[in-house]
Amino acid sequence: GAVVSQHPSRVICKSGTSVKIECRSLDFQATTMFWYRQFPKQSLMLMATSNEGSKATYEQGVEKDKFLINHASLTLSTLTVTSAHPEDSSFYICSASASGYYGYTFGSGTRLTVV
Amino acid sequence: KQEVTQIPAALSVPEGENLVLNCSFTDSAIYNLQWFRQDPGKGLTSLLLIQSSQREQTSGRLNASLDKSSGRSTLYIAASQPGDSATYLCAVSRVGTDKLIFGTGTRLQVFP
Repeated sequence: GAVVSQHPSRVICKSGTSVKIECRSLDFQATTMFWYRQFPKQSLMLMATSNEGSKATYEQGVEKDKFLINHASLTLSTLTVTSAHPEDSSFYICSASASGYYGYTFGSGTRLTVV
Repeated sequence: KQEVTQIPAALSVPEGENLVLNCSFTDSAIYNLQWFRQDPGKGLTSLLLIQSSQREQTSGRLNASLDKSSGRSTLYIAASQPGDSATYLCAVSRVGTDKLIFGTGTRLQVFP
């Protein structure tokens, strides 16, 4: 079955630094990748949609300069949280799809803690 | 705007019971509906995918049905086990977009 690998699983960083999270589709080409944020005991909130070779589309209210998304190839998308602050601490999850018709595969998530 | 609601929000049952989790959506123009399981602090595991033209899908003890016209889906779990304890999320993908819209989730606890 389709597998999406997300790294790191946990990261602690100091306030003001940047953190990069990687999302890779291991056995299929992902034309579209998605980045979600999840607060404790809440559902997933879509942050942005990225298509290979083009700029990401951000959801309303998501700061594109703070959350930089790069989808450089059909198997890799990265989310960089720039100048991180404690309020950016959250659980971030990526998902990938070769085609939405066939469903979506999710990564294992990254727990970001900004201290 | 598509809204997805799940009922109940939380459920606690003894082992062996058959369960029904409900998902409703407001816009019937969907490509498909997917049920996921999420364990605490983990990513999502896909359980079942139902295309808009299908009525149900089965995998082991799980059965999911879809009634697109009424905007409803149910996830049936037979003979529940403590290992089934997790949060269950339904999500729909809307025609014309690749976006998944998630429901609010049902937190399930199955005790021995």
